Amino acid sequence: SQQGEEDPQALSIQEGENATMNCSYKTSINNLQWYRQNSGRGLVHLILIRSNEREKHSGRLRVTLDTSKKSSSLLITASRAADTASYFCATPQGGKLQFGAGTQVVVTP
Amino acid sequence: SQTIHQWPATLVQPVGSPLSLECTVEGTSNPNLYWYRQAAGRGLQLLFYSVGIGQISSEVPQNLSASRPQDRQFILSSKKLLLSDSGFYLCAWSVRSERLTDTQYFGPGTRLTVL
Repeated sequence: SQQGEEDPQALSIQEGENATMNCSYKTSINNLQWYRQNSGRGLVHLILIRSNEREKHSGRLRVTLDTSKKSSSLLITASRAADTASYFCATPQGGKLQFGAGTQVVVTP
Repeated sequence: SQTIHQWPATLVQPVGSPLSLECTVEGTSNPNLYWYRQAAGRGLQLLFYSVGIGQISSEVPQNLSASRPQDRQFILSSKKLLLSDSGFYLCAWSVRSERLTDTQYFGPGTRLTVL
C-alpha cells in the first residue's frame, strides 16, 4: 500500500501565486522528505522535516508536519516559472524510503 | 562535492536483448546505493539497494539484476529485456548507514525504451 500520497495530483498556477500541496501517510515516521523532479531529470532533495518538528523553512519553501493527522504540506511562495516540476514526498516504510506518485505543478508566466 | 553519474542517458533496445546501466558516485566513500524505476507519471519503485561492495538486496522479483563491483559503482543488468522493463531508471546514493531512509541524492536518470 502507498505510504505517502500527494494531493492534488496536478496544480496549475500563475507566477507570483503560492502553491500548496499535501502529503498523507499511514504509519508513524521519524522524518518526512520532499523532493522536486524537473521533467526528464533526477529528483532533487528539497527539505527533510523530523517528527519532532512542526514547521521548517528553506528559501521560498515552507513545510509543515502534523503527526497527529499523519500529514505534511509543502508551500511554495511567490512561485516562478522555474518552479514547474513534480513534487514528491518520501516517508520511511519497512526501513526503506517510499515515494508518493507526486504533484505535478505548472507555473505559467 | 559529491556527484553522481548515470549512462547512457537514453537507450532503445529490442525485446530479448541484454541491458547494462551504469551508475558512479564521486566525492564520497562507502555510500549506500539504490536503483529505482519510474513509470510515466508515477512514483519511484525501489528495485535494488546496496550497503557495500558485493552486497545487493532485491526489492522486486523480476528479470533485472544489480551488481556493485566497486565501492562507488552500481550496475543494473538484464539478460533479456521485456517490454515491461521500459521506464526511467534512477540511481541514488545516501550516506553510508544501516538506515536506508536518510536523504538520497539522485543521478540524472536513464530513459529506457524496449521495443
